[in-house]
Amino acid sequence: GDQVKQSPSALSLQEGTNSALRCNFSIATTTVQWFLQNPRGSLMNLFYLVPGTKENGRLKSTFNSKESYSTLHIRDAQLEDSGTYFCAALNYGGSGNKLIFGTGTLLSVKP
Amino acid sequence: DPKIIQKPKYLVAVTGSEKILICEQYLGHNAMYWYRQSAKKPLEFMFSYSYQKLMDNQTASSRFQPQSSKKNHLDLQITALKPDDSATYFCASSQRGGGAEQFFGPGTRLTVL
Repeated sequence: GDQVKQSPSALSLQEGTNSALRCNFSIATTTVQWFLQNPRGSLMNLFYLVPGTKENGRLKSTFNSKESYSTLHIRDAQLEDSGTYFCAALNYGGSGNKLIFGTGTLLSVKP
Repeated sequence: DPKIIQKPKYLVAVTGSEKILICEQYLGHNAMYWYRQSAKKPLEFMFSYSYQKLMDNQTASSRFQPQSSKKNHLDLQITALKPDDSATYFCASSQRGGGAEQFFGPGTRLTVL
């Protein structure tokens, strides 16, 4: 099943506007990562979160482990923010750890 | 300078052949991973290694075999290639195996004809 549900699947923003992406988890996790996959396919690390909030420039992310969700807020969207955003839940235990990815949000920022 | 190197960037193979995907990391990490991204599925975990030992294998097929000749190398050998194996294969690494942040290489895009 969908252990990591990401929404929306696609989003179009006008340059300069704000928006939020969300991930809901149906698996227990204590750590979340957010990535941006650029049009060339490279995965760039955005956030590594234990429960709480982090901010980096125009991006802010929150992970609420009790309610099993994480959000990524984009403020003042720029053209270079376009790409596919993935959240991933870290599932780890005695056999090592693995990231379980959502299906992504395709963001298009337009001038 | 790239910290995680994957070679080649693009790879075209014929059905039934064998290929090796190369991954080297220069982050000083002790854990390495392989993930796959295809058009049909989201990024999915394949293998994890810690200190050159296999920790987890989520790949049903034995046609996929990781090979770790050095601490900072984790290659992926794929035998008897099928068109369904066409995907981008990402190598990743983390400082340790227990919950640390994972960083990804640029990927190898494999097309099987």
